[in-house]
Amino acid sequence: SQTIHQWPATLVQPVGSPLSLECTVEGTSNPNLYWYRQAAGRGLQLLFYSVGIGQISSEVPQNLSASRPQDRQFILSSKKLLLSDSGFYLCASGSLGVEAFFGQGTRLTVV
Amino acid sequence: QKEVEQDPGPLSVPEGAIVSLNCTYSNSAFQYFMWYRQYSRKGPELLMYTYSSGNKEDGRFTAQVDKSSKYISLFIRDSQPSDSATYLCAMSAGNYQLIWGAGTKLIIKP
Repeated sequence: SQTIHQWPATLVQPVGSPLSLECTVEGTSNPNLYWYRQAAGRGLQLLFYSVGIGQISSEVPQNLSASRPQDRQFILSSKKLLLSDSGFYLCASGSLGVEAFFGQGTRLTVV
Repeated sequence: QKEVEQDPGPLSVPEGAIVSLNCTYSNSAFQYFMWYRQYSRKGPELLMYTYSSGNKEDGRFTAQVDKSSKYISLFIRDSQPSDSATYLCAMSAGNYQLIWGAGTKLIIKP
């Protein structure tokens, strides 16, 4: 089965600072990769998905960007964080819309 | 109207009870239905996956899909305190995107 590695687990960043969250996948090749954000008490919001190296689709226009430099690496970035970027960020891997394996998440607090 | 509706709870039941968790949806194109369990401050983990209508059983867990009513359920038998978590339903039409419910917080009281 697949394993999703995601770090860091917790991050506190000041407004206006840059962000880089990394996700790597084990146990599969050429996975579909996803970045989600989860607000407290709410469902998951899809931010980006990727079906291959260099192929990124954005679901929500915002202050964030994603990149996939390697087959099993997915990076979420921001040049300048906003307060509204706070949340629980999850990386996932799976078949097209059928199921997904999740990492343990990064809790980001922008102060 | 949201595409997927799920009561946020919390739902509190005594240990050993049968738990029923539900989601309704509006998109008749959905073919894949999933239930995830999420413990506090952790990523979701896939519990059950069902294609189209019908029932699926795995140990103490049973997933039901009624496409005619656009209604899915997850039943937990002999509930345990370790089942306390947030349960998220998700569904898709087989394309890249899962549509998620908001999650139901379940509390099993010893």
